[in-house]
Amino acid sequence: AQRVTQPEKLLSVFKGAPVELKCNYSYSGSPELFWYVQYSRQRLQLLLRHISRESIKGFTADLNKGETSFHLKKPFAQEEDSAMYYCALRTFGNQFYFGTGTSLTVIP
Amino acid sequence: DAGITQSPRHKVTETGTPVTLRCHQTENHRYMYWYRQDPGHGLRLIHYSYGVKDTDKGEVSDGYSVSRSKTEDFLLTLESATSSQTSVYFCAISESVRRGGTDTQYFGPGTRLTVL
Repeated sequence: AQRVTQPEKLLSVFKGAPVELKCNYSYSGSPELFWYVQYSRQRLQLLLRHISRESIKGFTADLNKGETSFHLKKPFAQEEDSAMYYCALRTFGNQFYFGTGTSLTVIP
Repeated sequence: DAGITQSPRHKVTETGTPVTLRCHQTENHRYMYWYRQDPGHGLRLIHYSYGVKDTDKGEVSDGYSVSRSKTEDFLLTLESATSSQTSVYFCAISESVRRGGTDTQYFGPGTRLTVL
C-alpha cells in the first residue's frame, strides 16, 4: 500500500540556519512526488515537484529511490518560510496521498 | 489561484443533520477531489471524481457521499453528520494523468465544518 511519512510534526529553526523537512514514501510503482505549502490563512499550493528538478523560493528536493525519500531542503531559512509543509505522492490513477505535515517555524 | 470556490466557507450544524458542501471550478479540469484536514492526520482523501458521474472512494469515505452531475461542480454530502466529521474540508482539481506533466492539484480555500 502507498504511504507518505513525515516524521516531524513540528520543526523550529533560527533565521539563516539550514532547514530540512523529511519525507519518506512507500509505493510499489514509479513514484511522482510533490511538496505543498500552506501559509497561515491561505490555501494549499504547490511548492515543487520532483519531475521538474526545480528550486522554488530557495527550496530543493531530491528524489532518492534507494532510500525512498524526498526531503525538502533550504540552506538559509527565512521568516516567511514559516508554514505547514506537506509531502505528497501521486499514484497511477491520479490519486494523491499526503503525509501528516510538518509545521515549520523560523525564529527571528 | 485557480478558479476553485467552496461553499459554504463555514458551517455549524448538529449531530444527525444532513450537510452538503459544494465545490465549483471554472478550469474545466477533469479530476476533482474532496479531502479532510485534521491535526495529526494531514490531508486524507474522502472521494474523488474522474469525470461527470464517475466517482470513487478514497481512504476515509465512510459517512460521506458525492455527486458530480456537471464538470464544474462536485458535491460532498454528509447524510447524518457526526462530531467526528468536524474538520476542515478541501476541494482540489487536477487535469492530467500524464506522468511527468506540469499539472498538479489546485486547492480550494476550504470549508470549516463544526458538528455539535
